[in-house]
Amino acid sequence: DVKVTQSSRYLVKRTGEKVFLECVQDMDHENMFWYRQDPGLGLRLIYFSYDVKMKEKGDIPEGYSVSREKKERFSLILESASTNQTSMYLCASSFLGGGTEAFFGQGTRLTVV
Amino acid sequence: AQSVAQPEDQVNVAEGNPLTVKCTYSVSGNPYLFWYVQYPNRGLQFLLKYITGDNLVKGSYGFEAEFNKSQTSFHLKKPSALVSDSALYFCAVRSLYSGGYQKVTFGTGTKLQVIP
Repeated sequence: DVKVTQSSRYLVKRTGEKVFLECVQDMDHENMFWYRQDPGLGLRLIYFSYDVKMKEKGDIPEGYSVSREKKERFSLILESASTNQTSMYLCASSFLGGGTEAFFGQGTRLTVV
Repeated sequence: AQSVAQPEDQVNVAEGNPLTVKCTYSVSGNPYLFWYVQYPNRGLQFLLKYITGDNLVKGSYGFEAEFNKSQTSFHLKKPSALVSDSALYFCAVRSLYSGGYQKVTFGTGTKLQVIP
């Protein structure tokens, strides 16, 4: 069974902390994505990566960075957490082909206090 | 720029009745269209997709969707709703960036409530 695993289901962090969200996939997918999900706004793309060490900004990259040192792992970094980054974060992966569907992790609900 | 619109925040339907969740899109070139479902406190699960060919696409759990190029729509349908279908549904469109990289744009989601 295919799997995308996010390291935490729930996180509570303080304002100003550096936060790491980890995602691992076991499907040998080239593409990996980080989204945030907020009520009424749907899913918004933060960053994506199509290969090791490669990254592209999505729609809302400000305040975030990413790292992809290995094909199966994609990390999202909040350099200095703020309360407006309280959200549900979803990791996803897919093959490179245009018509391939994405597989999602279970999500990390991050609360910044 | 590509975009997806789901005009209804919530759809209510009685159990056993047919359901439709609407989606329209805007994209340059040929679209790849997807539907995903999200149950509470879970990630998204793939339901079905349109790539090319037959305009009526069948997917998981008895769902289907109809691609209409002239109306730029990809509505999700099911002939007979179940209470267990109650969830959040997302439509998505995918295209190629210039340079060959791929981006998926999601709609804002439609909450489906099936009433017993």
